[in-house]
Amino acid sequence: GQNIDQPTEMTATEGAIVQINCTYQTSGFNGLFWYQQHAGEAPTFLSYNVLDGLEEKGRFSSFLSRSKGYSYLLLKELQMKDSASYLCAVMDSNYQLIWGAGTKLIIKP
Amino acid sequence: NAGVTQTPKFRILKIGQSMTLQCTQDMNHNYMYWYRQDPGMGLKLIYYSVGAGITDKGEVPNGYNVSRSTTEDFPLRLELAAPSQTSVYFCASSISTEPGGDTIYFGEGSWLTVV
Repeated sequence: GQNIDQPTEMTATEGAIVQINCTYQTSGFNGLFWYQQHAGEAPTFLSYNVLDGLEEKGRFSSFLSRSKGYSYLLLKELQMKDSASYLCAVMDSNYQLIWGAGTKLIIKP
Repeated sequence: NAGVTQTPKFRILKIGQSMTLQCTQDMNHNYMYWYRQDPGMGLKLIYYSVGAGITDKGEVPNGYNVSRSTTEDFPLRLELAAPSQTSVYFCASSISTEPGGDTIYFGEGSWLTVV
């Protein structure tokens, strides 16, 4: 079966750095997405990785290792507004998105 | 910019009732999707469409029906509501599913409770 694993919840301090991990086992691979979802709202796109390595976009970076079936989302200089759930999703060989359950990130002052 | 619009935002249904969740997008996207998201769970694909007149089942299609008569509209029909269908429903669209081609744009969600 297809599976996406990510921690259920993480806590970090305002101004700090946090890394959210995602491991996957899917039928084929056509890219990995990270989405941010604030409570009661729709997911919004953060990043897309299809090649190994690090993609940096402002305070957010995403890393991919296809051989290890592993990705992480790195958030720097955390702000209170970063409190949200972070969803990892993998596009499989049929171009269908398989979604993880999400990691709820709690930011403390 | 409208993007993906879905209605209603909140609805309470009695067991056995029927209803339609409406979804429309104004971005001329070919691909449209319906997902459900249960508390603490990831998004589950119910149905999707690759263009007008074409629909296909996703991971959890039982109890639902869809139609795609136009590029813009993709309504989701619940025929006999059951408590297991209590969830948050998201409609989404994209230009294509090709990797890197586009991201998926989501509607604001519809909170459905079946009692």
